[in-house]
Order: sequence, then C-alpha cells, then structure tokens
Amino acid sequence: NAGVTQTPKFRVLKTGQSMTLLCAQDMNHEYMYWYRQDPGMGLRLIHYSVGEGTTAKGEVPDGYNVSRLKKQNFLLGLESAAPSQTSVYFCASSGVMNTEAFFGQGTRLTVV
Amino acid sequence: SQKIEQNSEALNIQEGKTATLTCNYTNYSPAYLQWYRQDPGRGPVFLLLIRENEKEKRKERLKVTFDTTLKQSLFHITASQPADSATYLCALPTSGTYKYIFGTGTRLKVLA
Repeated sequence: NAGVTQTPKFRVLKTGQSMTLLCAQDMNHEYMYWYRQDPGMGLRLIHYSVGEGTTAKGEVPDGYNVSRLKKQNFLLGLESAAPSQTSVYFCASSGVMNTEAFFGQGTRLTVV
Repeated sequence: SQKIEQNSEALNIQEGKTATLTCNYTNYSPAYLQWYRQDPGRGPVFLLLIRENEKEKRKERLKVTFDTTLKQSLFHITASQPADSATYLCALPTSGTYKYIFGTGTRLKVLA
C-alpha cells in the first residue's frame, strides 16, 4: 500500500499565482486533514474533512480552499499565493477519530 | 483555548541513557493522547496512543504515561540509540471535534 501520497513534493510560486496540492490515500479512511508546518510553530490545521463531500475549517484556513469530491482525495487550493504561505504542507488521514493519523511526505512550497 | 506545550529546546543525551520528553496541555481533558516521531524532511509517524484511563503504555523501548490530574504526558525512550534522534510530537483531539492539535515538538539528539 502506498498510504498517503502528496503531489507535488516541491513547488515555487510567484506571488498571486494559484495552485492545487493533491493528497491521495488508499486506506479507505474517512477523515483527511491538511496541515502546514513552520519553524517554531509546529503543525497547524488548515482544513479537514470527515467524509466525502464534507470540509471544515481548521486553525488557519484563510487564503486556502479545499475539496473532497472523492473519498480517497483531498485537494488544497491556493487561489492567490502570498509569501506568508511559504511553508511545508502535510496531508494526513485517519480511519476513525481515536486512531493514528497517517501522514504524507510533505510538499515544500515557496512563494516569492 | 486548548493548548499543548512541549519543550522547544533540543534535548541532547548520551547513548544508552533514558530520554524523557514532556507534553503539557491546558484547558481541556482529552480522551486520549498520541505521540509521533518526525525525521527531517519527512511526515510525522505514529508511535503510541494512550487513553485517559491508562496510566502507562509500553512498546519495545518506548513508554508513555498520562497524568490527567497534572494534564501531562511523559514519553520515555530507554537505552537510547543515535537512530532515535528525531523530533517527537504529541497530539490530542480537540474537544468535541474530529481535529487533532499538535505540540511544536521536542528535538532529541542521542550522542554516540
């Protein structure tokens, strides 16, 4: 099993450009999450989903949108990238609430 | 608001010694707590989950305690090895939601 796969692994954007990060999981998990990780800030939740067709805001949702059209995929979109969105983005999934979360390998995004 | 605190300073210990990492939380009472390991450039990997009615949990050289009165979890690595060098994160489910929040992590370095 591949687990959780994130695409792309690296990306450089110019301010104002848009992009979509793709997260795919093959474990039939209900819950999926997008986090960003910045030095000294730890992992901060951007958006999450508790099932296909549902999304909800996390701690730092501004400037991001998400969609969960298929159970196995969770997309994170940046409509107009800003330098403050330079970060490492992690997707995670879990089967039920009180079990472990599986993380992808991360996407390193730089906005110049 | 709910907060998690981990010692942000790196912990250096000699090989063979026991490493002890601390996770403190405030303003709520989680039903369980998780510990993850994160290596540079990689996503976090689940290590252990301990529930509120469990005082202690062990897995090989790892031991986790959960003191709901002190609102604290301790994570121990016995007979530490250089390969244990990594950042260790604690995570808790937020009250009444499906969201996990993570501590900022403690970087452990085991010296040979």
